[in-house]
Amino acid sequence: EIVLTQSPGTLSLSPGERAILSCRASQSVGGNFLAWYQEIPGQAPRLLIYGASQRATGIPDRFSGSGSGTDFTLTISRLEPEDFTVYYCQYYATSPRTFGQGTKVEIK
Amino acid sequence: QVQLQQWGAGLLKPSETLSLTCVDYGGSIRGYHWNWIRQSPGKGLEWIGEITHSGGTNYNPSLKSRVTISIDTSQNQLSLKMSSVTAADTAIYYCTRGYESDWPTSNYWGQGTLVTVSS
Repeated sequence: EIVLTQSPGTLSLSPGERAILSCRASQSVGGNFLAWYQEIPGQAPRLLIYGASQRATGIPDRFSGSGSGTDFTLTISRLEPEDFTVYYCQYYATSPRTFGQGTKVEIK
Repeated sequence: QVQLQQWGAGLLKPSETLSLTCVDYGGSIRGYHWNWIRQSPGKGLEWIGEITHSGGTNYNPSLKSRVTISIDTSQNQLSLKMSSVTAADTAIYYCTRGYESDWPTSNYWGQGTLVTVSS
């Protein structure tokens, strides 16, 4: 079972700043089957990135994903007020399709 | 257009069986990869298990002994059953589906069902 470790646990930034979130896998993620999700208060989470770097439908281009092997990054180029929430990475190449523990992006 | 709607009992006593149903009012349940995911209060996302587009099932090892995921094609329904629930199973439960038939990602989400386990 692959374990995903996200860092930092909390990121304190101001609107307009760049956020860089990390997700490290305990083993290499074959095929870059790594996704990022955003928690939306009062709603279901939404998929931001799949295949490590492909934006899901309707996702603004300020969100970008990168990485390969065991190290992956979600970058939010300029934080908007609605971006201050929790983000999760997920390994989905094989079962069990585990989630990281989450990174909270909070307003500084 | 995918429209996932889910329902089930929201309040259970310890040792009872959780039972949730999910339908896609915009199309067919059949032939897609479906997941169940939950989020306990103040906690992160937890993958419960899946039924693949070819009908196979896989479960989170920590829950495997208590969980069954199935599809009733005649009713166009996906279901989740979890036996012997405890307070630790209190969570919002979501059914999710990928964009394409064999995608295991969660592109589409149900609205979520809050299940509370309390005596």
